[in-house]
Amino acid sequence: EAQVTQNPRYLITVTGKKLTVTCSQNMNHEYMSWYRQDPGLGLRQIYYSMNVEVTDKGDVPEGYKVSRKEKRNFPLILESPSPNQTSLYFCASSFGITPGLAGFEVDTQYFGPGTRLTVL
Amino acid sequence: DQQVKQNSPSLSVQEGRISILNCDYTNSMFDYFLWYKKYPAEGPTFLISISSIKDKNEDGRFTVFLNKSAKHLSLHIVPSQPGDSAVYFCAASGRSGNTPLVFGKGTRLSVIA
Repeated sequence: EAQVTQNPRYLITVTGKKLTVTCSQNMNHEYMSWYRQDPGLGLRQIYYSMNVEVTDKGDVPEGYKVSRKEKRNFPLILESPSPNQTSLYFCASSFGITPGLAGFEVDTQYFGPGTRLTVL
Repeated sequence: DQQVKQNSPSLSVQEGRISILNCDYTNSMFDYFLWYKKYPAEGPTFLISISSIKDKNEDGRFTVFLNKSAKHLSLHIVPSQPGDSAVYFCAASGRSGNTPLVFGKGTRLSVIA
């Protein structure tokens, strides 16, 4: 089954304790991305990766790191979590940008089930 | 500055009637637009998209309309069903190919039986 998986699904931690949220996709997608969802703010992009070893900052990258050593995995790292990083996190993947009628088409992003993180 | 705006945080519609969700954007470089639907405790799922060369795209009960001059798009759901109750996110992307998706804040649709 084609899917994006995230682990853990729920995590409660304390300020300053490093953590990693894993993301894995089995669709051979080139593009992967991390979002956070907060009440009243919708989905905001943290980091994205167009391909292996290529990562770029999204709208809210501060306090986060990512790596893309393999095509299927895109972990999100919080070196020193703070309470303002309490949020619902989604990983997403897609084939990226493909030729289409409008010169390009943005391929549909498939989202993982989410990771609810609480930082005390 | 918010580039993709969904000004209605919530919408209630009776079952069988039309639901209209609106989305405005400010960046004229956006050329591709998508709607995602999100149920509680699940990730967003793709619903329908439209590129700038079209002004309408239809898929079953879902139709998206694009008005480029007004920088406005809308999602119509006809007829609305209780299972359509969810949060709907509008998203936009630019022509550069490296522009990530920009999402609106979402509109919570409640379809009342």
